[in-house]
Amino acid sequence: QVQLQESGPGLVKPSQTLSLTCTVSGGSISSGSYYWSWIRQPAGKGLEWIGRIYTSGSTNYNPSLKSRVTISVDTSKNQFSLKLSSVTAADTAVYYCARGGVAPDYWGQGTLVTVSS
Amino acid sequence: QSALTQPASVSGSPGQSITISCTGTSSDVGGYNFVSWYQQHPGKAPKLLIYDVSYRPSGVSNRFSGSKSGNTASLTISGLQAEDEADYYCSSYTTSSTLVFGGGTKLTVL
Repeated sequence: QVQLQESGPGLVKPSQTLSLTCTVSGGSISSGSYYWSWIRQPAGKGLEWIGRIYTSGSTNYNPSLKSRVTISVDTSKNQFSLKLSSVTAADTAVYYCARGGVAPDYWGQGTLVTVSS
Repeated sequence: QSALTQPASVSGSPGQSITISCTGTSSDVGGYNFVSWYQQHPGKAPKLLIYDVSYRPSGVSNRFSGSKSGNTASLTISGLQAEDEADYYCSSYTTSSTLVFGGGTKLTVL
C-alpha cells in the first residue's frame, strides 16, 4: 500500500519561500507511469491544484502560481518536493501531496502551512 | 484557469439518490474523459471516488457513479447513507495540461 507523508515548516514568513517534501513509502517513486502532485486547500475553502511532476522531471504548473512554483523529484530518496516563493498570507493552507497527475488516488494526510510574521 | 462550477450544497434523506453537477468548458470537462470525483470528510484528505468520468477505484462502493454530457459531469450517490455526508469535489484535465478542481459541494444527509 502506497503511503505519502508531507513534511516541512508549519510557519513561513511573508516574502520567504515555502518548502515542503513528500516522502513516498510502500513503493518506488520511479516504478509505474505516475505523476506526483501537490494540491492545497485554504481553511474552509476548496481544493487548488498546484502542479505535478513525472519521474523524468517533466513538470506542469497551475498558471496562477507558475512564476513562484518549483516541483522537483529525488528518486534516490523516494521523495518529491515543492517550493513556493514570495509567499503571502493568501498562501496559508493545508498542503497535500498525492500520487497521480489526472486523478490522484493516494494522498498524504496534509500539512498546514501558515504564512505569518 | 477558472474553477469548475459545482452547487454549493445538496441534501437528501437516507436511502434517496442525489446528483451533484460539475460544469466546465470545452477546454476541460467537455474536451476530455478525464473527470474525477473526490469525497472529503472534515479534517481528512480527499478520497478518490470516480476517475475517467465513470470508473470506480477498487474498494469504492457501487452506490457512487459518474457520467458526463457535454461540458457537464455528474456524480450520483444512490441509497444515501449518513456516512456519505461530506464535501465532494470534481476535477478535470485541461487543454493546458493542467488539472482544475470544482469549488466543492457540501452534502447534507437529512
